[in-house]
Amino acid sequence: NAGVTQTPKFQVLKTGQSMTLQCAQDMNHEYMSWYRQDPGMGLRLIHYSVGAGITDQGEVPNGYNVSRSTTEDFPLRLLSAAPSQTSVYFCASSLTTGGTGELFFGEGSRLTVL
Amino acid sequence: LAKTTQPISMDSYEGQEVNITCSHNNIATNDYITWYQQFPSQGPRFIIQGYKTKVTNEVASLFIPADRKSSTLSLPRVSLSDTAVYYCLGSGAGSYQLTFGKGTKLSVIP
Repeated sequence: NAGVTQTPKFQVLKTGQSMTLQCAQDMNHEYMSWYRQDPGMGLRLIHYSVGAGITDQGEVPNGYNVSRSTTEDFPLRLLSAAPSQTSVYFCASSLTTGGTGELFFGEGSRLTVL
Repeated sequence: LAKTTQPISMDSYEGQEVNITCSHNNIATNDYITWYQQFPSQGPRFIIQGYKTKVTNEVASLFIPADRKSSTLSLPRVSLSDTAVYYCLGSGAGSYQLTFGKGTKLSVIP
């Protein structure tokens, strides 16, 4: 049981490049979400999903796309990276919709956009 | 989703009990209070969750008064390894947009 796995752990991009941050969980959790964390800030919700085929926007969705084709995977796509997207990204999952259950987080993906 | 307010930072000496209070004046009837702990370069980790009165586990205790407008996370006899950021969340079933504030940075001093 690996929990929530994020790849890559580190990535450097140039402005305008695209990339996908991968997130996978092996706990059969319905709820998955992506957060970004900037220095001195809390976590801000980017997108979330309550099940396969269902996604919705969080607080800061601009510049990011998501899809949920399977229960296990929830990739985050940056279509045209900008320096403002330099951050640490965390994927999380929960058995329930998250409100009354425990959120399990991945180890994070540190992204630098030059 | 309840809006929460916590102190930005706290210092404590090793071996002391630490109490971190979270204010959530607009908490809804079906909202639970959940606390997470985050170490540097790691994702947050669930500590404890409660609805009312007192909840205790092997790591911490959570006190929620009858009016549920605040809650207190209590860490007994802290050690250096408890240095972390602690987040308080108020949310109920069907709360899809779980938002974390800036949390409370606890520094444990030798």
